Amino acid sequence: DAGVTQSPTHLIKTRGQQVTLRCSPKSGHDTVSWYQQALGQGPQFIFQYYEEEERQRGNFPDRFSGHQFPNYSSELNVNALLLGDSALYLCASSLPGQNNSPLHFGNGTRLTVT
Amino acid sequence: KNEVEQSPQNLTAQEGEFITINCSYSVGISALHWLQQHPGGGIVSLFMLSSGKKKHGRLIATINIQEKHSSLHITASHPRDSAVYICAVRSDKLIFGTGTRLQVFP
Repeated sequence: DAGVTQSPTHLIKTRGQQVTLRCSPKSGHDTVSWYQQALGQGPQFIFQYYEEEERQRGNFPDRFSGHQFPNYSSELNVNALLLGDSALYLCASSLPGQNNSPLHFGNGTRLTVT
Repeated sequence: KNEVEQSPQNLTAQEGEFITINCSYSVGISALHWLQQHPGGGIVSLFMLSSGKKKHGRLIATINIQEKHSSLHITASHPRDSAVYICAVRSDKLIFGTGTRLQVFP
């Protein structure tokens, strides 16, 4: 049973470019959340997807957008990249409609913006 | 002031020592999570608590809802316990502490 998988593992982009990160949830999970973790900091909530819709959003600009597909996998898109977007991007999935279920994280995508 | 505060930020210990990491929060919560993050970045869920105490192997987690405080204890620490330990609380969203970096030396 595969856990949460993220791709790519590492990515280098230039300021102003756009990036797409991908996440496949753990089998049986339908809710996907995305987090940004800057170096030395705790993760910050970006948004959560459930039933192919954005259900909740953290304090991130509109340059951060996402999508969830019918198979529950999800994408995080960041436009007009800034140096400050360099971070580890984590995806977590959870059981259907259960916010208070154990958390399952992927290994993250490390994005470097130069 | 952060809504979730952890202490200490950094912790070093000798193998075998008893370790305590603390987490205080200022918001109403429905659950608290303790997470372990290794240098590669992947995060593993250790505990989810809404009251009382949980134990798994050498790890013990407690929570006091009235005092808005939780502790993670590691008994008989081992070098493989070296990692960043993160406290996260569920309010309207998941809010994370900045983590406690633990290094256990043989």
